[in-house]
Amino acid sequence: NAGVMQNPRHLVRRRGQEARLRCSPMKGHSHVYWYRQLPEEGLKFMVYLQKENIIDESGMPKERFSAEFPKEGPSILRIQQVVRGDSAAYFCASSPSVNEQFFGPGTRLTVL
Amino acid sequence: DAKTTQPTSMDCAEGRAANLPCNHSTISGNEYVYWYRQIHSQGPQYIIHGLKNNETNEMASLIITEDRKSSTLILPHATLRDTAVYYCIVRDPSGGGADGLTFGKGTHLIIQP
Repeated sequence: NAGVMQNPRHLVRRRGQEARLRCSPMKGHSHVYWYRQLPEEGLKFMVYLQKENIIDESGMPKERFSAEFPKEGPSILRIQQVVRGDSAAYFCASSPSVNEQFFGPGTRLTVL
Repeated sequence: DAKTTQPTSMDCAEGRAANLPCNHSTISGNEYVYWYRQIHSQGPQYIIHGLKNNETNEMASLIITEDRKSSTLILPHATLRDTAVYYCIVRDPSGGGADGLTFGKGTHLIIQP
């Protein structure tokens, strides 16, 4: 059973471009979470999704950020019109239940 | 979720037991104690969780005091690969899994050769 997969592992964008981060949960996991870790800071929860539904997006910035988890395919975190402050590591986690969350290796976004 | 307090950093000699404390004095009856760790540049890794009884798995042991106001994560035979930031998190899972984890600053455990 493969772990949580994220791609790309590294992403470079210029200011104003769009960034799309993908997360494939572990097989059988229906809960997906996104977290952001700014340089030298702790992880911050962004959004929790189940298939085709956003359950909790209390940690998402109000503008430019969106997330989806379609019926088929990976979960996508989309950042429009990126700015330098969006440079961070973005981690996805999946869970089969209410207990432990399994994290992917992260996508490191660099905005030039 | 209740707040937790952990030391900023700790050292431990390779091969010895590493004991990482966590205070959670405002923990409520439904909240569990979870431990995760993050090795540099990697995603966080689940270690163990418990409610009130002591727990053990292949990675670690979790000792929770009787009043549940504090706990200790024990890595019985620390290796250099255990160097990481360790996060103690209290969380009520009965919300249907809707809670994102709240990571504090954690304890930076450094295993010395």
